[in-house]
Amino acid sequence: QVQLVQSGSELKKPGASVKVSCKASGYTFTSYAMNWVRQAPGQGLEWMGWINTNTGNPTYAQGFTGRFVFSLDTSVSTAYLQISSLKAEDTAVYYCARDRSSGWYNWFDPWGQGTLVTVSS
Amino acid sequence: DIQMTQSPSSLSASVGDRVTITCRASQSISSYLNWYQQKPGKAPKLLIYAASSLQSGVPSRFSGSGSGTDFTLTISSLQPEDFATYYCQQSYSTLRAFGGGTKVEIK
Repeated sequence: QVQLVQSGSELKKPGASVKVSCKASGYTFTSYAMNWVRQAPGQGLEWMGWINTNTGNPTYAQGFTGRFVFSLDTSVSTAYLQISSLKAEDTAVYYCARDRSSGWYNWFDPWGQGTLVTVSS
Repeated sequence: DIQMTQSPSSLSASVGDRVTITCRASQSISSYLNWYQQKPGKAPKLLIYAASSLQSGVPSRFSGSGSGTDFTLTISSLQPEDFATYYCQQSYSTLRAFGGGTKVEIK
């Protein structure tokens, strides 16, 4: 079945970097874009952007430029989110979610299980 | 950028109640509107896409309606497993903003 499996929880110090992985299975990885979504503790969902898995071209939402980088390794059907110069406010659960479409309509399905990144000294 | 506003931010309801959640877009988004359900500690799950299309496997007590700027998610008879937070999301623009969420709690 179609599945996205993310890497495990991370505890990092301020100023460090983290790389979250999202491994896809059950479908052709390069046929669907991948999105990243952040959820801070007790807060709502915040769309971070997406990456074209065919070309590798990323698009970042406002507020997620500079320290956030989306990348791919298509040989292992995996998308990555790297965050550099971590701050306490980056503490959140990060989700990957596949972009699905029908005609001009798009939605996210499925989602990864989420990766908790905690930034604390 | 398109902003999505949900109301109410939370509500209390009883099992068997009819529940309605609204979502308003800051500009017309036609029917490019999705609904997701999220339970505590879990990833969001797609319920409705294209404003009114029910995702496979989702119970028929869930329905979506609306177009343009105003949308509604209705749960016809609330079940114990429906207590969760619900989010709308627009897909009209490539910047796929979510609404702030509506938490459905037990009365």
